Amino acid sequence: EAGVAQSPRYKIIEKRQSVAFWCNPISGHATLYWYQQILGQGPKLLIQFQNNGVVDDSQLPKDRFSAERLKGVDSTLKIQPAKLEDSAVYLCASSPTPSIGTNEKLFFGSGTQLSVL
Amino acid sequence: AQSVTQLGSHVSVSEGALVLLRCNYSSSVPPYLFWYVQYPNQGLQLLLKYTSAATLVKGINGFEAEFKKSETSFHLTKPSAHMSDAAEYFCAVSDQGANNLFFGTGTRLTVIP
Repeated sequence: EAGVAQSPRYKIIEKRQSVAFWCNPISGHATLYWYQQILGQGPKLLIQFQNNGVVDDSQLPKDRFSAERLKGVDSTLKIQPAKLEDSAVYLCASSPTPSIGTNEKLFFGSGTQLSVL
Repeated sequence: AQSVTQLGSHVSVSEGALVLLRCNYSSSVPPYLFWYVQYPNQGLQLLLKYTSAATLVKGINGFEAEFKKSETSFHLTKPSAHMSDAAEYFCAVSDQGANNLFFGTGTRLTVIP
């Protein structure tokens, strides 16, 4: 089965520029997550979608970050304008269920590594 | 609030030696606990999870972990390290039925030939 696809793999931008990341989840997975993984830290949830609706965006810096999941399939995460501290790996994950239940399994993509100079 | 603490950001073991990666959790309710592995340039992969059934959980690649409520621990072990085990390992916690995982800061495992 195809995994979670993310692009681009790497991105280098200057501060105050904008950037967008794309994620295509596993077919049929209704739940989609974006995580931010700063070097030396564990992944931190930014936003969770259930189909095309937002379940949790409490950790998303909404003054500069935005995300959408039109039609409940692909998702894009945007940063505008970027700051130096946004340098991180942005991971997308998908799951067939919305909660971390007994049968839960999150499938992660390889991530987009963002460097802000 | 849930959280996990991973003791030791770097662990080195010789090939064939015991692997022990430590994780302590904090949760106000019975938790679900997970270990993920991340190989270079790859996404996170689930190794094993505890969901309130057996306290000793066996995972893939010969890894296992034991849930110890009295110690609030969920340490990951493997009897004999292999070169292919070199990777970063993350412990994570979630409330039962919750929608989010809280990850530790990770432990990088190096296997010395």
